Amino acid sequence: QVQLVESGGGVVQPGRSLRLSCAASGFTFSTYGIHWVRQAPGKGLEWVAVISYDGSTKYYADSVKDRFTISRDNSNNTLYLQMNSLRAEDTAVYYCAKDPGQWLLLDYFDSWGQGTLVTVSS
Amino acid sequence: DIQMTQSPSSLSASVGDRVTITCRASQSVSRYLNWYQQKPGKAPKLLIYAASSLQSGVPSRFSGSGSGTDFTLTISSLQPEDFATYYCQQSYTTLALTFGGGTKVEVK
Repeated sequence: QVQLVESGGGVVQPGRSLRLSCAASGFTFSTYGIHWVRQAPGKGLEWVAVISYDGSTKYYADSVKDRFTISRDNSNNTLYLQMNSLRAEDTAVYYCAKDPGQWLLLDYFDSWGQGTLVTVSS
Repeated sequence: DIQMTQSPSSLSASVGDRVTITCRASQSVSRYLNWYQQKPGKAPKLLIYAASSLQSGVPSRFSGSGSGTDFTLTISSLQPEDFATYYCQQSYTTLALTFGGGTKVEVK
Protein backbone atom coordinates (compact mmCIF):
# COMPACT_ATOMS: atom_id res chain seq x y z
CA GLN A 1 0.00 0.00 0.00
CA VAL A 2 1.03 3.61 -0.49
CA GLN A 3 3.15 4.95 2.32
CA LEU A 4 4.51 8.47 2.72
CA VAL A 5 6.72 9.29 5.69
CA GLU A 6 7.79 12.87 6.39
CA SER A 7 10.80 13.85 8.45
CA GLY A 8 12.98 16.85 9.18
CA GLY A 9 10.62 19.00 11.21
CA GLY A 10 11.63 20.78 14.38
CA VAL A 11 12.09 24.13 16.05
CA VAL A 12 13.96 26.76 14.05
CA GLN A 13 14.60 30.47 14.55
CA PRO A 14 13.06 33.06 12.23
CA GLY A 15 15.19 33.68 9.17
CA ARG A 16 16.84 30.26 9.32
CA SER A 17 16.45 27.28 7.00
CA LEU A 18 15.11 23.75 7.27
CA ARG A 19 14.78 20.85 4.84
CA LEU A 20 11.91 18.40 5.00
CA SER A 21 11.97 14.94 3.44
CA CYS A 22 9.19 12.58 2.41
CA ALA A 23 10.07 8.92 1.85
CA ALA A 24 7.66 7.11 -0.45
CA SER A 25 6.90 3.44 -0.91
CA GLY A 26 4.17 1.15 -2.19
CA PHE A 27 3.81 2.79 -5.61
CA THR A 28 5.94 3.76 -8.60
CA PHE A 29 7.17 7.06 -7.20
CA SER A 30 8.79 8.23 -10.43
CA THR A 31 5.46 8.35 -12.28
CA TYR A 32 3.42 10.54 -9.90
CA GLY A 33 3.44 14.16 -8.92
CA ILE A 34 3.69 14.95 -5.21
CA HIS A 35 2.46 17.95 -3.23
CA TRP A 36 3.27 19.60 0.07
CA VAL A 37 0.28 20.78 2.11
CA ARG A 38 0.53 22.47 5.51
CA GLN A 39 -1.74 23.10 8.45
CA ALA A 40 -1.04 25.73 11.08
CA PRO A 41 -2.00 24.72 14.63
CA GLY A 42 -5.77 24.73 14.99
CA LYS A 43 -6.24 26.06 11.45
CA GLY A 44 -7.26 24.77 8.04
CA LEU A 45 -5.29 23.26 5.18
CA GLU A 46 -3.04 25.27 2.88
CA TRP A 47 -1.48 23.95 -0.31
CA VAL A 48 2.25 24.79 -0.48
CA ALA A 49 3.84 23.34 -3.61
CA VAL A 50 3.75 20.58 -6.22
CA ILE A 51 6.34 18.83 -8.36
CA SER A 52 5.61 16.77 -11.44
CA TYR A 53 6.63 13.12 -11.79
CA ASP A 54 9.94 13.97 -13.45
CA GLY A 55 10.68 17.20 -11.59
CA SER A 56 10.33 19.33 -14.71
CA THR A 57 7.31 21.29 -13.43
CA LYS A 58 7.03 22.99 -10.07
CA TYR A 59 4.39 25.35 -8.70
CA TYR A 60 4.29 27.24 -5.42
CA ALA A 61 1.78 29.10 -3.32
CA ASP A 62 2.39 32.85 -3.30
CA SER A 63 3.03 32.69 0.45
CA VAL A 64 6.17 30.58 -0.03
CA LYS A 65 7.33 31.55 -3.51
CA ASP A 66 11.01 32.53 -3.66
CA ARG A 67 11.61 31.10 -0.16
CA PHE A 68 10.74 27.40 -0.52
CA THR A 69 12.03 24.92 -3.12
CA ILE A 70 10.46 21.57 -3.89
CA SER A 71 12.60 18.80 -5.38
CA ARG A 72 12.68 15.04 -5.74
CA ASP A 73 15.12 12.16 -6.09
CA ASN A 74 13.42 9.44 -8.08
CA SER A 75 16.34 7.06 -7.61
CA ASN A 76 15.69 7.12 -3.85
CA ASN A 77 11.90 7.63 -3.88
CA THR A 78 12.22 10.80 -1.84
CA LEU A 79 10.63 14.24 -2.00
CA TYR A 80 12.14 17.33 -0.42
CA LEU A 81 11.09 20.79 0.66
CA GLN A 82 13.89 23.28 1.24
CA MET A 83 12.54 26.10 3.38
CA ASN A 84 14.59 29.30 3.63
CA SER A 85 13.96 32.64 5.35
CA LEU A 86 11.46 31.00 7.68
CA ARG A 87 8.82 33.14 9.37
CA ALA A 88 6.59 32.61 12.38
CA GLU A 89 3.64 32.18 10.03
CA ASP A 90 5.33 29.13 8.48
CA THR A 91 4.71 27.24 11.73
CA ALA A 92 2.58 24.25 10.76
CA VAL A 93 2.36 20.53 10.28
CA TYR A 94 3.70 19.80 6.81
CA TYR A 95 2.20 16.89 4.89
CA CYS A 96 3.40 15.34 1.66
CA ALA A 97 0.50 14.13 -0.44
CA LYS A 98 0.41 12.05 -3.60
CA ASP A 99 -1.36 13.27 -6.72
CA PRO A 100 -3.51 10.50 -8.24
CA GLY A 101 -2.57 11.29 -11.81
CA GLN A 102 0.05 9.03 -13.34
CA TRP A 103 2.31 11.04 -15.70
CA LEU A 104 0.12 14.14 -15.25
CA LEU A 105 -1.14 16.35 -12.43
CA LEU A 106 -4.78 16.08 -11.37
CA ASP A 107 -4.22 18.46 -8.47
CA TYR A 108 -5.90 16.65 -5.64
CA PHE A 109 -4.51 14.31 -3.00
CA ASP A 110 -5.28 10.61 -2.73
CA SER A 111 -2.68 9.60 -0.12
CA TRP A 112 -1.10 11.59 2.67
CA GLY A 113 1.80 11.18 5.06
CA GLN A 114 1.41 11.57 8.80
CA GLY A 115 2.96 15.04 8.77
CA THR A 116 5.97 16.68 10.40
CA LEU A 117 5.72 19.73 12.66
CA VAL A 118 7.77 22.82 11.91
CA THR A 119 7.87 25.49 14.60
CA VAL A 120 9.45 28.84 13.79
CA SER A 121 10.22 30.66 17.00
CA SER A 122 13.01 32.57 18.65
CA ASP B 1 -6.89 32.98 -6.24
CA ILE B 2 -10.20 31.14 -6.11
CA GLN B 3 -11.75 31.47 -2.66
CA MET B 4 -13.63 28.49 -1.24
CA THR B 5 -16.29 29.15 1.39
CA GLN B 6 -17.78 26.32 3.43
CA SER B 7 -20.95 26.45 5.46
CA PRO B 8 -21.65 25.91 8.19
CA SER B 9 -18.29 26.16 9.95
CA SER B 10 -19.59 23.67 12.50
CA LEU B 11 -22.69 21.63 13.11
CA SER B 12 -24.06 19.31 15.76
CA ALA B 13 -25.71 16.09 14.72
CA SER B 14 -26.72 12.69 16.02
CA VAL B 15 -25.93 9.21 14.79
CA GLY B 16 -28.33 8.39 11.98
CA ASP B 17 -28.85 11.99 10.92
CA ARG B 18 -28.55 13.15 7.33
CA VAL B 19 -25.82 15.80 7.17
CA THR B 20 -25.22 18.27 4.34
CA ILE B 21 -22.18 20.55 4.02
CA THR B 22 -21.97 23.29 1.41
CA CYS B 23 -18.94 24.63 -0.43
CA ARG B 24 -19.07 27.71 -2.65
CA ALA B 25 -16.32 28.86 -5.03
CA SER B 26 -15.67 32.53 -5.80
CA GLN B 27 -15.68 31.63 -9.52
CA SER B 28 -16.61 28.57 -11.50
CA VAL B 29 -14.42 25.52 -10.93
CA SER B 30 -16.52 23.32 -13.21
CA ARG B 31 -16.47 19.92 -11.45
CA TYR B 32 -12.90 20.22 -10.16
CA LEU B 33 -13.98 19.94 -6.54
CA ASN B 34 -12.81 17.42 -3.94
CA TRP B 35 -13.77 16.58 -0.36
CA TYR B 36 -11.61 15.38 2.53
CA GLN B 37 -12.25 14.16 6.06
CA GLN B 38 -9.81 14.89 8.86
CA LYS B 39 -9.87 13.51 12.39
CA PRO B 40 -7.90 15.14 15.23
CA GLY B 41 -4.17 14.49 15.01
CA LYS B 42 -4.51 12.64 11.72
CA ALA B 43 -3.86 13.39 8.08
CA PRO B 44 -6.80 14.24 5.84
CA LYS B 45 -8.43 11.44 3.86
CA LEU B 46 -9.86 11.80 0.37
CA LEU B 47 -13.61 11.09 0.23
CA ILE B 48 -14.92 12.50 -3.05
CA TYR B 49 -13.12 13.71 -6.18
CA ALA B 50 -14.40 15.44 -9.29
CA ALA B 51 -17.45 16.66 -7.37
CA SER B 52 -19.26 13.33 -7.18
CA SER B 53 -16.87 10.39 -7.62
CA LEU B 54 -16.48 8.24 -4.53
CA GLN B 55 -12.88 7.40 -3.67
CA SER B 56 -12.18 3.67 -3.44
CA GLY B 57 -12.90 2.28 0.01
CA VAL B 58 -15.09 5.18 1.14
CA PRO B 59 -18.54 4.13 2.40
CA SER B 60 -21.45 4.80 0.08
CA ARG B 61 -23.22 6.94 2.70
CA PHE B 62 -20.92 9.74 1.51
CA SER B 63 -21.94 11.50 -1.68
CA GLY B 64 -21.08 14.71 -3.48
CA SER B 65 -22.91 16.88 -5.95
CA GLY B 66 -22.72 20.21 -7.72
CA SER B 67 -20.87 22.02 -10.47
CA GLY B 68 -19.74 25.54 -11.26
CA THR B 69 -19.67 27.39 -7.96
CA ASP B 70 -21.96 25.44 -5.63
CA PHE B 71 -21.25 22.01 -4.20
CA THR B 72 -22.52 19.79 -1.42
CA LEU B 73 -21.21 16.86 0.58
CA THR B 74 -23.92 14.67 2.05
CA ILE B 75 -23.64 11.96 4.67
CA SER B 76 -26.87 9.99 4.37
CA SER B 77 -26.80 8.41 7.83
CA LEU B 78 -24.15 9.73 10.18
CA GLN B 79 -22.06 7.07 11.88
CA PRO B 80 -19.93 7.42 15.06
CA GLU B 81 -16.73 7.36 13.02
CA ASP B 82 -17.93 10.28 10.87
CA PHE B 83 -17.48 12.92 13.57
CA ALA B 84 -14.61 14.89 12.08
CA THR B 85 -13.75 18.03 10.14
CA TYR B 86 -14.53 18.13 6.42
CA TYR B 87 -12.73 20.25 3.82
CA CYS B 88 -13.50 21.02 0.21
CA GLN B 89 -10.67 21.77 -2.24
CA GLN B 90 -10.72 23.10 -5.77
CA SER B 91 -8.37 21.61 -8.36
CA TYR B 92 -9.38 23.91 -11.21
CA THR B 93 -6.03 25.68 -11.33
CA THR B 94 -2.68 24.14 -10.46
CA LEU B 95 -1.18 27.55 -9.87
CA ALA B 96 -3.21 28.08 -6.73
CA LEU B 97 -4.97 25.11 -5.21
CA THR B 98 -7.22 26.22 -2.39
CA PHE B 99 -9.24 24.66 0.41
CA GLY B 100 -12.39 25.71 2.18
CA GLY B 101 -12.14 26.70 5.81
CA GLY B 102 -13.55 23.41 7.07
CA THR B 103 -16.74 22.17 8.66
CA LYS B 104 -16.53 20.47 12.02
CA VAL B 105 -19.21 17.82 12.60
CA GLU B 106 -19.77 17.37 16.32
CA VAL B 107 -21.90 15.16 18.51
CA LYS B 108 -25.26 16.68 19.41
